[in-house]
Amino acid sequence: DAGVIQSPRHEVTEMGQEVTLRCKPISGHDYLFWYRQTMMRGLELLIYFNNNVPIDDSGMPEDRFSAKMPNASFSTLKIQPSEPRDSAVYFCASSIRQVTEAFFGQGTRLTVV
Amino acid sequence: QKEVEQNSGPLSVPEGAIASLNCTYSDRGSQSFFWYRQYSGKSPELIMFIYSNGDKEDGRFTAQLNKASQYVSLLIRDSQPSDSATYLCAVRPDSAGGTSYGKLTFGQGTILTVHP
Repeated sequence: DAGVIQSPRHEVTEMGQEVTLRCKPISGHDYLFWYRQTMMRGLELLIYFNNNVPIDDSGMPEDRFSAKMPNASFSTLKIQPSEPRDSAVYFCASSIRQVTEAFFGQGTRLTVV
Repeated sequence: QKEVEQNSGPLSVPEGAIASLNCTYSDRGSQSFFWYRQYSGKSPELIMFIYSNGDKEDGRFTAQLNKASQYVSLLIRDSQPSDSATYLCAVRPDSAGGTSYGKLTFGQGTILTVHP
């Protein structure tokens, strides 16, 4: 298996623009997590899904953030409008219930200028 | 109180020494505990997991869990410069039916530097 795949790897955008981050989890995994990592706040859980259903979105910072999982092999995290303080590395991770380890994608480094 | 807290770093140890990394958690329902290593610019990768009280050893790494004290630690023996990284503690409740079932929460991380 290719592992968790995220795209793009790097994104530079202007403040106010819409940003969409994409994730393909490992096949067969029923949990998908979106994390944001910054030096100041560490690795924060934004939202997670189980069987494509959002379970806990309490970590989503504002209404500008939204996430979807239309099927078991694809998820998006959207920021609209983006702001400079959204600059961070965004990780997607997946796991299965029987094996609770989460496998991480390579991350998307987002820079909002 | 943060859900998962790690001892403040950075931690610097000489090569060959034992590095001790600590983590406390607030949710008594937590059942699974993980240590991840993250090299600069890379994604976190699992080193060890532990579910039961006591020690679990894997090579140079030993994870220790004390659920009564809500404390989990990682010991790295014979530390090597290649162990220099950020170490992340993560916890997960496994109580089926709870709203947080499956949720994986990380601590802030401890930066470890092993100097020759």
